[in-house]
Amino acid sequence: EVQLVESGGVVVQPGGSLRLSCAASGFTFDDYAMHWVRQAPGKGLEWVSLISWDGGSTYYADSVKGRFTISRDNSKNSLYLQMNSLRAEDTALYYCAKDMWEGESGLLDYWGQGTLVTVSS
Amino acid sequence: EIVLTQSPGTLSLSPGERATLSCRASQSVSSSYLAWYQQKPGQAPRLLIYGASSRATGIPDRFSGSGSGTDFTLTISRLEPEDFAVYYCQQYGSSRCSFGQGTKLEIK
Repeated sequence: EVQLVESGGVVVQPGGSLRLSCAASGFTFDDYAMHWVRQAPGKGLEWVSLISWDGGSTYYADSVKGRFTISRDNSKNSLYLQMNSLRAEDTALYYCAKDMWEGESGLLDYWGQGTLVTVSS
Repeated sequence: EIVLTQSPGTLSLSPGERATLSCRASQSVSSSYLAWYQQKPGQAPRLLIYGASSRATGIPDRFSGSGSGTDFTLTISRLEPEDFAVYYCQQYGSSRCSFGQGTKLEIK
């Protein structure tokens, strides 16, 4: 059974930093690209970032480019999101999601339950 | 960036009725790389439809997708109580995917 478990969400002050983690199991982690998607309270889904299976390619939404860094450790079946220079508008539930195909399609077949990041003074 | 616009924002129907949800893209979606997700309160999104019309594993056949180019539709043939939720369309197939703003399907 595929499982994605996010952690690391907390309350942080504006301008602060945070690292989110996602522990994956139930599939061959290093075969698939992985994504972060966020959802602000009461709002819709916003794609945040994508990393290729080997970490060699990364992509970001314009809203986070230059502030967030996605990475992965295939030896630990783990995905990360380093978040710097946080703003109030980054407040959201952050989901880790698996790409459905062995590529970087952006089609997301499994999602974690999310970890909540609140940016507030 | 492709912008997806979903309509209506809210759809009020009764169990047993047919639901038709629309998703319009600001430019053509290549190879029909259009997906639909369902999200219930307190839950993560669930993939329903991909490639505009292919059902994901385990999705009942009352869910169907259609369309191409810039206009796509999700149809639920006979609403079950568990179908009342928020539905999002998504375009994918490039390095940056995007979602529509969602349609809330509520019980009338």
